[in-house]
Amino acid sequence: DTEVTQTPKHLVMGMTNKKSLKCEQHMGHRAMYWYKQKAKKPPELMFVYSYEKLSINESVPSRFSPECPNSSLLNLHLHALQPEDSALYLCASSQAYLAGGGSDTQYFGPGTRLTVL
Amino acid sequence: KNEVEQSPQNLTAQEGEFITINCSYSVGISALHWLQQHPGGGIVSLFMLSSGKKKHGRLIATINIQEKHSSLHITASHPRDSAVYICAVGSGNQFYFGTGTSLTVIP
Repeated sequence: DTEVTQTPKHLVMGMTNKKSLKCEQHMGHRAMYWYKQKAKKPPELMFVYSYEKLSINESVPSRFSPECPNSSLLNLHLHALQPEDSALYLCASSQAYLAGGGSDTQYFGPGTRLTVL
Repeated sequence: KNEVEQSPQNLTAQEGEFITINCSYSVGISALHWLQQHPGGGIVSLFMLSSGKKKHGRLIATINIQEKHSSLHITASHPRDSAVYICAVGSGNQFYFGTGTSLTVIP
């Protein structure tokens, strides 16, 4: 199984809502990533978890709260978002997050398209 | 200035044509990745390379470490190759993405 799954596929939420995005992989990967992608732009790294510990937080606002409950699962909790947070949120995993960073193939999920009203 | 530059930004080709997409980078890297993103979002990792050349089916990726340049070639292009192709490099604990090349292959 070389698949990364993400749910939901689409999410529409108001600025006062609390919602969560879910990402799951069963490849035994120990590194998991959240990316944000605006239309016609490349993905921007938000968070990296390595061995279920937060390794990288790219100065993401606190209204985005990641959680890695186990090695297969990665959540992104959303609260009090702004319309400019509307984007495609991509999850990825790789075997490990090495000190060299991008020297491991990342497997991407299909993404969750988020719209904040 | 972006750490990773791609060219062209947009490319239209007739079915069967040979296609080249270029990527230049300005940082020291541990590896370079070529990714494919279809409309609708899903990203597929095509290649990861740190030297030389790799081939998978009709796709060929090359890298020249000295010149800090990589190319992605598609032979006998097909409409299903229509997608955005993204070059990304791993450098230190950072992962830098290029802005992508949007490829349309016309039947």
